[in-house]
Amino acid sequence: KAGVTQTPRYLIKTRGQQVTLSCSPISGHRSVSWYQQTPGQGLQFLFEYFSETQRNKGNFPGRFSGRQFSNSRSEMNVSTLELGDSALYLCASSLGTGGYNSPLHFGNGTRLTVT
Amino acid sequence: GENVEQHPSTLSVQEGDSAVIKCTYSDSASNYFPWYKQELGKGPQLIIDIRSNVGEKKDQRIAVTLNKTAKHFSLHITETQPEDSAVYFCAASMVNDMRFGAGTRLTVKP
Repeated sequence: KAGVTQTPRYLIKTRGQQVTLSCSPISGHRSVSWYQQTPGQGLQFLFEYFSETQRNKGNFPGRFSGRQFSNSRSEMNVSTLELGDSALYLCASSLGTGGYNSPLHFGNGTRLTVT
Repeated sequence: GENVEQHPSTLSVQEGDSAVIKCTYSDSASNYFPWYKQELGKGPQLIIDIRSNVGEKKDQRIAVTLNKTAKHFSLHITETQPEDSAVYFCAASMVNDMRFGAGTRLTVKP
């Protein structure tokens, strides 16, 4: 079974630009979660989608948004990029039917650098 | 909401020694406790998990123990090997929330 795929692996953007990251979950998984990982803040939860609906949202500004398609693939978008948005963005998929009580399967992330 | 504290933040052991990482959680409703290992350049990977109706679980050199009364759980790695060097994250979750610890960087010296 193929794992979680995130594209692109690396991105360099300029302040003020916007960016879209993509995540393809494991086949059969209906839940996709996004996390921001920085050295100082660890793994910070952004949002979770289940069957195309946002089911949960973390404490991030509205510049961070996401969506999920009918095939469970997900995208997240960050608008008006700031230097502090530089981070590793991780996507994780799970069956999702038990809420958060099932294992997360992470992709290898997208490394975003904002200059 | 749930709060998870993880200790130590860094741990260095000699190859063959044991390593123990401890986490505490605040919400007694948490009932699922996974552990993830993150190697350089990769995303976290599940290595073991435990549910609240179980006190201990073992998988080869890795074991996890859970004390619900004290609200803490621990990861035990025996006979450590250089390939165990990584960052380890604990997490505590309930149906509608999952929180991660801040991570432990484990270094196994050959």
